[in-house]
Amino acid sequence: EIVMTQSPATLSVSPGERATLSCRASQSVSGYLAWYQQKPGQAPRLLIYDASTRATGIPARFSGSGSGTEFTLTISSLQSEDSAVYFCQQYNAWPPITFGQGTRLEIK
Amino acid sequence: QVQLVESGGGVVQPGRSLRLSCETSGFTFSNYVMHWVRQAPGKGLEWVAVIWNDGSNIFYVDSVKGRFTISRDNSKNTLYLQMNSLRVEDTAVYYCARDPSRIGVRLFFDYWGQGNLVTVSS
Repeated sequence: EIVMTQSPATLSVSPGERATLSCRASQSVSGYLAWYQQKPGQAPRLLIYDASTRATGIPARFSGSGSGTEFTLTISSLQSEDSAVYFCQQYNAWPPITFGQGTRLEIK
Repeated sequence: QVQLVESGGGVVQPGRSLRLSCETSGFTFSNYVMHWVRQAPGKGLEWVAVIWNDGSNIFYVDSVKGRFTISRDNSKNTLYLQMNSLRVEDTAVYYCARDPSRIGVRLFFDYWGQGNLVTVSS
């Protein structure tokens, strides 16, 4: 099973600044990585797939990068509505499909 | 618009059974692979099971193998999760989720239901 590790656990950033979230895989997942945003009481929302492709309707301030074992989600020009928990997910080696434990992003 | 609506959750004693349903609309259900994903209270996401669009392939996470059964009725546009021999550690919000590819399988999730809480407690 591929273990996904996200860092930091919590990130606090001011509005208008940039947030950088990391996700590391215990072995290579090539580019088969997705990012999701989850707000309290809501289902997750797909942001990024194939490591760097934005899902339909996702603002350009969300970008993904990386390959192999190291991945990054960057949110530029943070807005208050970006406050959420962000999860990465690998879909290269399965079953099982596995998720990271999440990064909580707080807007100061 | 794409909609996935789960139902069937609730409180159940350990060892008992429950069946979740996920009614879908807004897309051709029979063309899409479907998944169940769960989230224990205050915890992260855990993929549970996947079923191919025609039901020809099914896979589970090890922790539910032999206890849970994923199935679908394409004539009713509905996905199911039969959960038997429930354990306290199965307590979670259960989401149905759509795989985005109409050809083959991608194994990430582009649409999610609102979630349905299953509580296993004596």
